[in-house]
Amino acid sequence: GAVVSQHPSRVICKSGTSVKIECRSLDFQATTMFWYRQFPKQSLMLMATSNEGSKATYEQGVEKDKFLINHASLTLSTLTVTSAHPEDSSFYICSARDPKGTGETQYFGPGTRLLVL
Amino acid sequence: AQSVTQPDIHITVSEGASLELRCNYSYGATPYLFWYVQSPGQGLQLLLKYFSGDTLVQGIKGFEAEFKRSQSSFNLRKPSVHWSDAAEYFCAVAPLSGGSNYKLTFGKGTLLTVNP
Repeated sequence: GAVVSQHPSRVICKSGTSVKIECRSLDFQATTMFWYRQFPKQSLMLMATSNEGSKATYEQGVEKDKFLINHASLTLSTLTVTSAHPEDSSFYICSARDPKGTGETQYFGPGTRLLVL
Repeated sequence: AQSVTQPDIHITVSEGASLELRCNYSYGATPYLFWYVQSPGQGLQLLLKYFSGDTLVQGIKGFEAEFKRSQSSFNLRKPSVHWSDAAEYFCAVAPLSGGSNYKLTFGKGTLLTVNP
């Protein structure tokens, strides 16, 4: 149980285009999902917290107009990187909080490797 | 502000040897404590977690961790390492009260290399 998927696993795009990444909780309903960015050989940096049916909460320094987050259902959150530039190239990971039990555990997706040319 | 320290950036052990990865945290109160493992190019997999009860926690893949309140530590151990354990290990904490939707604070990670 507690499986989270991400799609696509890898994407290459041209500078100036937009890219959408999907995060799905497959066997549980996640009222809260998180989006992280990870640079090579570094830890995860939280970008935003996504709550179903409400606006995402962005961490300081993260441009909300650049990284659009939508959490339209209890099993799906999307991250859209708008007008992508080479500096947006990174590994993006989502997680979903399983509300069962004490509800404190996050389960992570396999990640999406974005390369902007 | 809360913080998590993993003092060892890189550890190398021989296959079959024992392993201990260190984690210290700074928090207002005892938080939820987690260990995650990340293989190259993959997401994070939960190894184990602690929030109350027995301070020695058993996880998957033969890992265990011990919570020591007096030392604000949550070290990860394995008695005999396998080559497949080579990966990056992250210690993380979340507020016990559920504030900020149990937002995780991660350590910088420890890269484990296993020699044959």
